[in-house]
Order: sequence, then structure tokens, then C-alpha cells
Amino acid sequence: GAVVSQHPSRVICKSGTSVKIECRSLDFQATTMFWYRQFPKQSLMLMATSNEGSKATYEQGVEKDKFLINHASLTLSTLTVTSAHPEDSSFYICSARDSATVHGYGYTFGSGTRLTVV
Amino acid sequence: DAKTTQPPSMDCAEGRAANLPCNHSTISGNEYVYWYRQIHSQGPQYIIHGLKNNETNEMASLIITEDRKSSTLILPHATLRDTAVYYCIVRVATSGTYKYIFGTGTRLKVLA
Repeated sequence: GAVVSQHPSRVICKSGTSVKIECRSLDFQATTMFWYRQFPKQSLMLMATSNEGSKATYEQGVEKDKFLINHASLTLSTLTVTSAHPEDSSFYICSARDSATVHGYGYTFGSGTRLTVV
Repeated sequence: DAKTTQPPSMDCAEGRAANLPCNHSTISGNEYVYWYRQIHSQGPQYIIHGLKNNETNEMASLIITEDRKSSTLILPHATLRDTAVYYCIVRVATSGTYKYIFGTGTRLKVLA
């Protein structure tokens, strides 16, 4: 089945630094990927839709200059948290849609990245 | 906003069937219902999806009402490893694609 790999699984960074998270579709091409954030005991919140070769579409309230998304190939999207602060500490999850599947097929999620900003 | 509502939590005895309801009263005629689950500190795992007919796979069964305004996910013989948060999702169309907006989900606890 379709597999989405996220790296790193855990990262600790100092306040003010930037962190890059990678999301790869391992055995399929994904023209569209999605980035979510999840705080403890809460549901997943969609941050942005990442489109290959074009600018990402951000959800309302998500700062595009803080959360930089690049989707330069059909198998890789990256999320960079710039000038991270402790309140950015969260669980970040990506998902991808197999471009070759028919309408209605489900999306595949990565295993998530736990970001801790100290 | 999410297009689904679910009870926040449920308990189920190990070995018994777990029936998880979901309301999606605004679903459109050609939209699917998707079920995922999330075990602590992992990404959501796909379970099943359906349009109007009942569906079954190796993990679960999905019962969709005739008016499609609600559905029930059935785990026929729940085990302790089925303890997770279960999400019922109806996709939202956006800019040429569809996105998942997660609701609060149902926290299922399987009891020994």
C-alpha cells in the first residue's frame, strides 16, 4: 500500500532557530500533500495544502511566513518552521494523495514529527 | 469546519463489537465517508471508506444509512490494541482538490 515517510520523527531545537520537516511519498506520486498540527489531547488541525510546483494554500490563521512549505517534486514536500518559539512545540503530520488513484480513494498519513522548542 | 460529529468517548469490552456512530447530515450526494484511527503519538491510519453501500474489510465494517446522513463503524471483536481515537471524515472540496478537516473524533477505550 501507499506509504508516506516523515523525517525526523522527533526534533528538539532552540528558540529562534528554524526546523525543516520532510514528507515523502515512497511508492507513489503526490501532486498534493497536506500539513497538520496537533496539540496534546486535541484533534488534527489542517495548516496548509501543498501543491507540487506552485505555492501552498494556507488555512485561515496560519502564518505563511512562519511555516514555509516547499513541494518541489512529486514525492517530497517540506515544512520549515522559522524562528521557532516554545508555542510552536507540537506534533506535525503530513498526508498525501496518490495522484494516480480514482476519485474517492483515501489519503495516506505520515507517522508525524514531534517538535519541541526549548 | 468539520462536516461530521461524533461522541467524544466510548468504552467497549474486549472481544465485543465496538459500534462507533457518526453524523454527517450535510454530506453531498457524491461524497465519501472516511474512517481513520489514531493511536497515541502516531499518524492517522486508514480504516475504511464508503459512498452509499455498506462496506467491509479485514479491519472493520461500515454501515451507512439510506439517507447517508449518518454512519456507524463496527469493529467486530475489539481488542486492547483497538484503543485509539477514531475519526469520521467527509472531505471538503477546495481549489481543485479535497482536504480532510478533522472533527474531535471518538476516543475508544477497550477494556480488559
